[in-house]
Amino acid sequence: QVQLVQSGADVKKPGASVKVSCKASGYSFTSYYIHWVRQAPGQGLEWMGIINPSGGSTSYAQKFQGRVTMTRDTSTSTVYMDLSSLRSEDTAVYYCARDGGQQLFWFDPWGQGTLVTVSS
Amino acid sequence: QSALTQPASVSGSPGQSITISCTGTSSDVGSYNVVSWYQQHPGKAPKLMIYEVSKRPSGVSNRFSGSKSGNTASLTISGLQAEDEADYYCCSYAGSSTLVFGGGTKLTVL
Repeated sequence: QVQLVQSGADVKKPGASVKVSCKASGYSFTSYYIHWVRQAPGQGLEWMGIINPSGGSTSYAQKFQGRVTMTRDTSTSTVYMDLSSLRSEDTAVYYCARDGGQQLFWFDPWGQGTLVTVSS
Repeated sequence: QSALTQPASVSGSPGQSITISCTGTSSDVGSYNVVSWYQQHPGKAPKLMIYEVSKRPSGVSNRFSGSKSGNTASLTISGLQAEDEADYYCCSYAGSSTLVFGGGTKLTVL
């Protein structure tokens, strides 16, 4: 079955960077774009960006431009989200989610989520 | 982009129908038929309920339906059941390969 499995929870200090992984299985990895979405504690969902696993092209939400980098490794069917210059407001659960296809802009399925805590 | 506007909460009794609205602008909801809805239970990842305004993925109950008029999309749940109690989020394409979510609506089944 289609599955996205994310890396485990992480704790970082302010100013550091975090890299979250998302390993895909059960489908052709390069045929579906992948999105990243985050959710701060008790808050709503926030779209961060999208990556094409085939060519590696990306599009980021304006809010994260300059701080986020999304990459992929086709040999392991894994997508990565790197967020730098972390601050306390970046404490959130980070989700990867598969696009409906080639930029259909809906998400199914989602990974299980990765809690990133930013604290001194 | 600004978040889409959803009511913070809605409620209904078992068997009733409820509708959750999602209001955007002519730059997002009003311009594209790319609105999706997600259900999220506490501590769980979101689940796709509706995509492309009104399409239902396989496995999602036909009690869930979606529609759009102008800058406002809506999710209707008929025959409310206890397990429908959750948070619901709308999401719209906003041009230039970007997306925007609504603030979320907490559904309480009385």
